[in-house]
Amino acid sequence: QPVLTQPPSVSAAPGQRVTISCSGSSSNIGKNNVRWYQQLPGTAPKHLIYDNNKRPSGIPDRFSGSKSATSATLGITGLQTGDEADYYCGTWDNSLNVWVFGGGTKLTVL
Amino acid sequence: EVQLVESGGGLVQPGGSLRLSCAASGFTFRNFWMTWVRQAPGKGLECVANINKDGSDKYYVDSVKGRFTISRDNAKDSLYLQMNSLSAEDTAVYYCVNDLGWGQGTLVTVSS
Repeated sequence: QPVLTQPPSVSAAPGQRVTISCSGSSSNIGKNNVRWYQQLPGTAPKHLIYDNNKRPSGIPDRFSGSKSATSATLGITGLQTGDEADYYCGTWDNSLNVWVFGGGTKLTVL
Repeated sequence: EVQLVESGGGLVQPGGSLRLSCAASGFTFRNFWMTWVRQAPGKGLECVANINKDGSDKYYVDSVKGRFTISRDNAKDSLYLQMNSLSAEDTAVYYCVNDLGWGQGTLVTVSS
């Protein structure tokens, strides 16, 4: 059972905006920065957002992140069919002393 | 360009052992914590183990404690994962990860 909670799936039409939530607790998101990862079908994951809201070079500004208390949110605007992927949140857990992930959210662009 | 290249995966019988390696290049390896993450077929991501920059601190998920050992050789820019007493539940793609990127993964299959 994943430590962080994400919705199993979200969907939206091309050009629209979608958000993906990630819920944790005071021992993980409440005390540490959150990362988001994108895993396109059949490929390795890649870094999408780090330190809650920063984008690595090469990641378009259509992707954004935010954090409030024990929850985090990934936002994607101007949806493209190429954005169809699994999205995971992750952070350090101070009680478990290990990096923890959400269960992943499958994005479908209708 | 950051590169993380895993090797050492394969088919192993239950109870057996494997040693995974990760060769790093394109960045100063000794300046980064390193992590092994696995993904069972059709499942989500699970952090297996973390190691700090000089290898003095190591952290493991409960399911592998006492069976897996993470280590690194900063002189060789390499990360390792020694896996013992393997079971079917350890079948997964294992990724080498740090703050800069992910490797392509190496598949470990535990089956008789």
